Amino acid sequence: DSGVTQTPKHLITATGQRVTLRCSPRSGDLSVYWYQQSLDQGLQFLIQYYNGEERAKGNILERFSAQQFPDLHSELNLSSLELGDSALYFCASSVGQIAYGYTFGSGTRLTVV
Amino acid sequence: AQKITQTQPGMFVQEKEAVTLDCTYDTSDQSYGLFWYKQPSSGEMIFLIYQGSYDEQNATEGRYSLNFQKARKSANLVISASQLGDSAMYFCAMREGRGNQGGKLIFGQGTELSVKP
Repeated sequence: DSGVTQTPKHLITATGQRVTLRCSPRSGDLSVYWYQQSLDQGLQFLIQYYNGEERAKGNILERFSAQQFPDLHSELNLSSLELGDSALYFCASSVGQIAYGYTFGSGTRLTVV
Repeated sequence: AQKITQTQPGMFVQEKEAVTLDCTYDTSDQSYGLFWYKQPSSGEMIFLIYQGSYDEQNATEGRYSLNFQKARKSANLVISASQLGDSAMYFCAMREGRGNQGGKLIFGQGTELSVKP
């Protein structure tokens, strides 16, 4: 157990639907990062939150949004889902804004049918 | 632009032998960090080793060592005495910046390592 908890582990949903992925960072970590891993794009950075505020943004689609709550857990919302959104979504956490070590969760595998 | 290149899509190694996985990077920053992660078939991302751009000595963690050649912008992972459990996908990643860019990691495409008994 890495200490970063992601739920659910698997998610199957239909095109056009909306889903929420949840991440609880390792105790004491203030930064949460979201990554998408797909066969064609590889591992892509989506967004980073630090202590509740957005810190950095990658190529995150407008249909996707995220937030970090006061208890530091984070949620990634994916809406108007398309087949191409099927991927493994990872959450990672680190203590500070710049990390010398990142701890990854086990991921949420999203399948859009 | 920041970029990580792993030129070996797949590699085979005999059990108990050493193997080197290649990684080159491109950055204009003076301060950066380099990471290697292992992803077994189960999917989780396991941190292996870290090298800072100002670290003078190559990083080592057990059977893993990082061959850091700054002038060549390479950060190769060396696994000594390979074990069957080392069979996995290996990713090289880079973190740039001093905070004004956040802490995101840029990943390479990965190298799939297969260890033969």
